[in-house]
Amino acid sequence: DGGITQSPKYLFRKEGQNVTLSCEQNLNHDAMYWYRQDPGQGLRLIYYSQIVNDFQKGDIAEGYSVSREKKESFPLTVTSAQKNPTAFYLCASSVGAQETQYFGPGTRLLVL
Amino acid sequence: DQQVKQNSPSLSVQEGRISILNCDYTNSMFDYFLWYKKYPAEGPTFLISISSIKDKNEDGRFTVFLNKSAKHLSLHIVPSQPGDSAVYFCAASGEFGSSNTGKLIFGQGTTLQVKP
Repeated sequence: DGGITQSPKYLFRKEGQNVTLSCEQNLNHDAMYWYRQDPGQGLRLIYYSQIVNDFQKGDIAEGYSVSREKKESFPLTVTSAQKNPTAFYLCASSVGAQETQYFGPGTRLLVL
Repeated sequence: DQQVKQNSPSLSVQEGRISILNCDYTNSMFDYFLWYKKYPAEGPTFLISISSIKDKNEDGRFTVFLNKSAKHLSLHIVPSQPGDSAVYFCAASGEFGSSNTGKLIFGQGTTLQVKP
């Protein structure tokens, strides 16, 4: 059955380490998004991609990087430059821009 | 600058009664609004949406009302059920300049508790 998967569910990062969060969708959606949620706050957009091999910065892109080499996959790397990485990370996809976005189950990133 | 605001952090209602969740926005360029429901440690689940050309959209127990002049939307849940207890986010999107990004701007969320 179709859907969006994120892995791992929990991820631990050591100081100075880069970590990569996986997001895969088999919905044949063109657009994919990465959001971050902090306690008591709404979701904030990190990066988005409307088509393969193209992506744009969102509101809080500093310290993050992405790639979109395949339509199904949109991995997010949290680099050592991100000073406050502890958060709940959510990936979403939509048929196209301005269409309803559907979310994956999320990855919780914790810093050791 | 919070473009989408949910001013009530929490709401408690009795089972069977109506739940009304409110959301205000400031950007008149927003033309599509959505409500999501979220349980802890899970991704948001899409509930219902409304385009700015409408003022009401209904889907089962859920109805969203849009008042463009007041820049206000609300989600009505009737009748409320204990399983509706979750955090509810409103979100808005629009065409900003020449860029149709599909970017969603989220409110802070309202925690709904439905008591049996």
